[in-house]
This record gives sequence, C-alpha cells and structure tokens, in this order.
Amino acid sequence: QVHLVQSGTEVKEPGSSVTVSCKASGGTFNNYALTWVRQAPGQGLEWMGRVIPILDVANYALKFQGRITITADKSTNTAYMKLRGLRSDDTAVYYCTRGGDYNVLTGYLQEYIWFDPWGQGTLVTVSS
Amino acid sequence: DIQMTQSPSSLSASVGDRVTITCRASQNITNYLNWYQQRPGKAPKLLIYAASSLQSGLPSRFSGGGSGTDLTLTISSLQPEDFATYYCQQSYSTPYTFGQGTKLEI
Repeated sequence: QVHLVQSGTEVKEPGSSVTVSCKASGGTFNNYALTWVRQAPGQGLEWMGRVIPILDVANYALKFQGRITITADKSTNTAYMKLRGLRSDDTAVYYCTRGGDYNVLTGYLQEYIWFDPWGQGTLVTVSS
Repeated sequence: DIQMTQSPSSLSASVGDRVTITCRASQNITNYLNWYQQRPGKAPKLLIYAASSLQSGLPSRFSGGGSGTDLTLTISSLQPEDFATYYCQQSYSTPYTFGQGTKLEI
C-alpha cells in the first residue's frame, strides 16, 4: 500500500523559488509516475507534471515549462517539485499523487492513468 | 489541451436522493475518464477509474457511465458523507485536465 507524505507549509516572496518534497512508502517507487497537481484557493485541480523515477524522465504541462523541475531520489523514495519565479497566482495547495505504473518489460506506462493515492497537500503562499 | 466541462456546477439534494453529474469533453476521450471526491481541506479521493470501474473498497452506490465525449457519475442513494465536491479528469492525453468541479450540497 503506497503512502505519500509531503513537506510542510511554505511562505515565499514573489520571484523566489519553492521546493516541495513527497516521500513515498510502500509499493515500488521506481516504477510508478509520481505526479504533481495543484489547487488554488477555492479553485479546481491542475495537473503540473510527473516524473518516472526508474527512467529519470519528467514531463510537464506547457503552462509550467521553463519554471518547473520535478525530480526523484530513488535512494530515499522521495520526489521533489521545484517551481521558480513565483507569482501571487502560484498560491495554492500542491499535491503529489501516484499516476500510473511503468512496465519495465514493455517500456510503457499503464494504459489507463488515474491518481491514487494522494499526499496530504502542501500550502504554498506567495506574498510580499 | 482537452477541455472538461462539468454540469451542474452545484447541486442541492437530500439524503436518499439519486444524483447524476455529467462531464463533457472537448473531444472524444472514449473511456479515459476518472472521478474524484474532495471534502473541504482534504486531498481528492479516487472514486471511479476508466469511466466505470469502482475503486476498491468503495460503496456500490457510486457508478460511472458513458463514453466518448459525455460521461456521468451517479450516486444512487445519497448518504450524509457524500456531500462534497466532485471532479472528473481525463487521462486520454497530457496535460491531464480536470473539470471545474461540482459541489454537492444539502
């Protein structure tokens, strides 16, 4: 049973960067896509990107390209999401979630992708 | 990007009611559609995956249907704990996009 625990609340100034961590326990960390989703206050959910640890490959939503880096440390089963050039509209709760298993024999992620389980969320507030 | 539009945006109902939430995709997504429930201050929780498969351990009053561009989530008999916000999410192509949410209220 996979369990995801995220780092704590952050308060950042505009223009700075934030790194949120997500530590996984249970399951085979290397073989699933660790995904980041955010939710601005009172708003809906937004997919930001994902990393597949065994491949050390990440891909991102176009909206965040150039500002985001998602990495994974296989030795500690921890994923990281770094967002640079923070603006006030980056104020949100950031979630990590498992988003599909990677099959090392076929070289593909599972065909149907869903997000489960989720971390508890990390509130990032961007304010001067 | 594939746009996902849920209707209604909010819904008032009573315990025991049957409710249906619709998710419309901007293009054919066949059955690459998931549903989540989110309670205030909590992370989303997976309910339905691949349009109609119920997540393990969840009550059978939740069901998903449809295919193509119009998909549905039905709760057959509302229970007090079901009052929450529901989101659809397509996994047909990246960026995976969510509907704007449907708030289910008493």
